[in-house]
Amino acid sequence: GAVVSQHPSRVICKSGTSVKIECRSLDFQATTMFWYRQFPKQSLMLMATSNEGSKATYEQGVEKDKFLINHASLTLSTLTVTSAHPEDSSFYICSALGDEQFFGPGTRLTVL
Amino acid sequence: DQQVKQNSPSLSVQEGRISILNCDYTNSMFDYFLWYKKYPAEGPTFLISISSIKDKNEDGRFTVFLNKSAKHLSLHIVPSQPGDSAVYFCAASEVESGGSNYKLTFGKGTLLTVNP
Repeated sequence: GAVVSQHPSRVICKSGTSVKIECRSLDFQATTMFWYRQFPKQSLMLMATSNEGSKATYEQGVEKDKFLINHASLTLSTLTVTSAHPEDSSFYICSALGDEQFFGPGTRLTVL
Repeated sequence: DQQVKQNSPSLSVQEGRISILNCDYTNSMFDYFLWYKKYPAEGPTFLISISSIKDKNEDGRFTVFLNKSAKHLSLHIVPSQPGDSAVYFCAASEVESGGSNYKLTFGKGTLLTVNP
């Protein structure tokens, strides 16, 4: 299947700092990428849909000023968690839409 | 309000036997259903999908059954192997992956353990 990478795989940061997570589709171009977060023992919750060259569409309850999404090219979308707080600690997963939806390996964010 | 429900958080089966993972949904607009497998600290991997115009789709050891009137689908794995041990997510969409407004709603997942 298609390959989607995420970087970093794990990040620990201090409260109040910003963290950027990259999502790349390695062997196909994706006009649409998605960002999810997963809390322990919970389902994957869609945060936003990222479309190349246009603004992201955020799900209800997701703060767009806190979770900045940029989809500047057909192979790269970034999620920036601004002014991170401990409650933002979670597992963030991106996916890219090709023939099916292919997921990245996820990024574990821990905010101290 | 959870639109996709996997009521069994865990399931344990013996190697070689059948694993049956269940999923219920409430949104009658869902038209496309998928199963994903997920190992810890990894992203989900697509397993199998089914469109609402079908009631069964088979791929090797994996078969998905859809009962639209009951808003229920199930994933059968036979024979089960220890390497199948993972969390299985059921997901649904109102359109197929090529359609506009495509997005997935996931269940909470079921942890399958296949014992040797």
